[in-house]
Amino acid sequence: GQQLNQSPQSMFIQEGEDVSMNCTSSSIFNTWLWYKQDPGEGPVLLIALYKAGELTSNGRLTAQFGITRKDSFLNISASIPSDVGIYFCAGQGLSSNYKLTFGKGTLLTVNP
Amino acid sequence: KAGVTQTPRYLIKTRGQQVTLSCSPISGHRSVSWYQQTPGQGLQFLFEYFSETQRNKGNFPGRFSGRQFSNSRSEMNVSTLELGDSALYLCASSLAAQEADTQYFGPGTRLTVL
Repeated sequence: GQQLNQSPQSMFIQEGEDVSMNCTSSSIFNTWLWYKQDPGEGPVLLIALYKAGELTSNGRLTAQFGITRKDSFLNISASIPSDVGIYFCAGQGLSSNYKLTFGKGTLLTVNP
Repeated sequence: KAGVTQTPRYLIKTRGQQVTLSCSPISGHRSVSWYQQTPGQGLQFLFEYFSETQRNKGNFPGRFSGRQFSNSRSEMNVSTLELGDSALYLCASSLAAQEADTQYFGPGTRLTVL
């Protein structure tokens, strides 16, 4: 089946640093989404992107829908300890028969 | 407004048994999707129900099945459990089918198969 390649798998950063992670697909998606999952919880939607080239912010988070529609990026600026968690990208579109396809996640650790 | 609730939160079964998991969506949400999350395969879509009908299905064997009731509550069933079925099973509800951007996840049911 379809796979999304998400990188990096994990990151260990200092508080205050900026973070970038990305996702690539072999197929085109109509929608890209970014989620955060805390231990013992389900994923929570952070940002949804609907159009190629779109750049959307949610507080310190900024995500972009790649021009080719096969990739997306998430940036977190000025990280804080509560940013710790697993971040997932997901794509949805005709190529996936509108099933949500997830990346394997990026584990973010922030050192205070 | 109450979130998505899943019961039970934890479950231990043995190989060959069957299990039923329950999901109550957010009030007003009519679509329920199920996902399996494992360390090896990550989050994988199982199926989606809307108005008591299965609208979409992932690549899982027929041992995995589900249903939705008239009040939008959903159950999923796994028969003849295998060790590899050990996972966190997540349910998510949304207003309508295939609306990932209105989808809210529950906390999941942690299934351990011994």
